[in-house]
Amino acid sequence: NSKVIQTPRYLVKGQGQKAKMRCIPEKGHPVVFWYQQNKNNEFKFLINFQNQEVLQQIDMTEKRFSAECPSNSPCSLEIQSSEAGDSALYLCASSLPGSNTEVFFGKGTRLTVV
Amino acid sequence: GEQVEQLPSILRVQEGSSASINCTYENSASNYFPWYKQEPGENPKLIIDIRSNMERKQTQGLIVLLDKKAKRFSLHITDTQPGDSAMYFCAASDQGGRALIFGTGTTVSVSP
Repeated sequence: NSKVIQTPRYLVKGQGQKAKMRCIPEKGHPVVFWYQQNKNNEFKFLINFQNQEVLQQIDMTEKRFSAECPSNSPCSLEIQSSEAGDSALYLCASSLPGSNTEVFFGKGTRLTVV
Repeated sequence: GEQVEQLPSILRVQEGSSASINCTYENSASNYFPWYKQEPGENPKLIIDIRSNMERKQTQGLIVLLDKKAKRFSLHITDTQPGDSAMYFCAASDQGGRALIFGTGTTVSVSP
């Protein structure tokens, strides 16, 4: 069973609404990733953190998407104004720091924007 | 941007035969190559990985090969079973904490 916990499993929002999803990484994993997996099963990297610091993020993330990993709280990914094209499976993953470390995924939040 | 190419996109095999998936990568600094299995409605699960200091790794009916000169790595599922039917993704990364770059996936279908 996945030790990366994502909530909610399913999320339905209207266009223009905010959509927020949460992730609790595996215990002891300071590195957290967010990916979007579209209906064609393609992975798109969004952002990653080490502890509370952003390591990498793509341009799309900087505009309508925001994310944070506060200490002692779940990480979160929020879409400020949902669009139909945001409908996808949002996967959170975590790992230990350092090179060549295994990355483990949560079960994801399936967002549907109607 | 960096890409990982994965072929074939669909692979149909008979139970008991082997299945092979190939991936190529662009970034010569890539040093970690995991493989994930994803069943419908489920999360991707890490099934095997290989690091750049190895050329071959084997575990429980899975073999991965890495050819750094050719920037190519492959997954071989030996003695396939119906339970091996799923999507398989290869990925590559060049540094701990940096994003994995995923291939486009292979749908493996094992028929009895």
